[in-house]
Amino acid sequence: SAVISQKPSRDICQRGTSLTIQCQVDSQVTMMFWYRQQPGQSLTLIATANQGSEATYESGFVIDKFPISRPNLTFSTLTVSNMSPEDSSIYLCSVPDLNTGELFFGEGSRLTVL
Amino acid sequence: GQNIDQPTEMTATEGAIVQINCTYQTSGFNGLFWYQQHAGEAPTFLSYNVLDGLEEKGRFSSFLSRSKGYSHLLLKELQMKDSASYLCAVTTDSWGKFQFGAGTQVVVTP
Repeated sequence: SAVISQKPSRDICQRGTSLTIQCQVDSQVTMMFWYRQQPGQSLTLIATANQGSEATYESGFVIDKFPISRPNLTFSTLTVSNMSPEDSSIYLCSVPDLNTGELFFGEGSRLTVL
Repeated sequence: GQNIDQPTEMTATEGAIVQINCTYQTSGFNGLFWYQQHAGEAPTFLSYNVLDGLEEKGRFSSFLSRSKGYSHLLLKELQMKDSASYLCAVTTDSWGKFQFGAGTQVVVTP
């Protein structure tokens, strides 16, 4: 199983600022995903982080708001731009096991926007 | 549209059995997964079904009927530590792209 490290684990941010979340995997992985979990809700896929090309965003999410980088097969970043209180969520990096389909999650980054 | 429905909350006593039902309507199907999530923590994998039938893993088992768009997770011999949210998730195309249900909060009482 993959070991996924995220940072920061939590942060309190001011409205209008941006924050970048980092995700490091202990092995090379083809696919990496970013999910969001708003308070009291389930997980929603934001985008697929593609190595060497632009991320693929799901409906309702755009690159200007959630720019993503994937410089290599073990690392990705998600930036939450121009934050508002509605962006207060847990953001989770994840990678799938291509043999079983199981999805492994990082510990999550809990953002609170004031 | 795509829907994954599961009950919001269930309560059961320690040592009992609880069954969490999940129904889904999705444009495709590659597999159905169950995850456990304790408050403030990331989800952890419990079980998955690709084909119809029962998968057993210790105290937990999951059942799938693709023709009915239905799955359930059975938790036996409940323990206090089983109090958590249980998420039903369906993957419809490539691995890793999941549609998650809203989760069922299971409360285990003494």
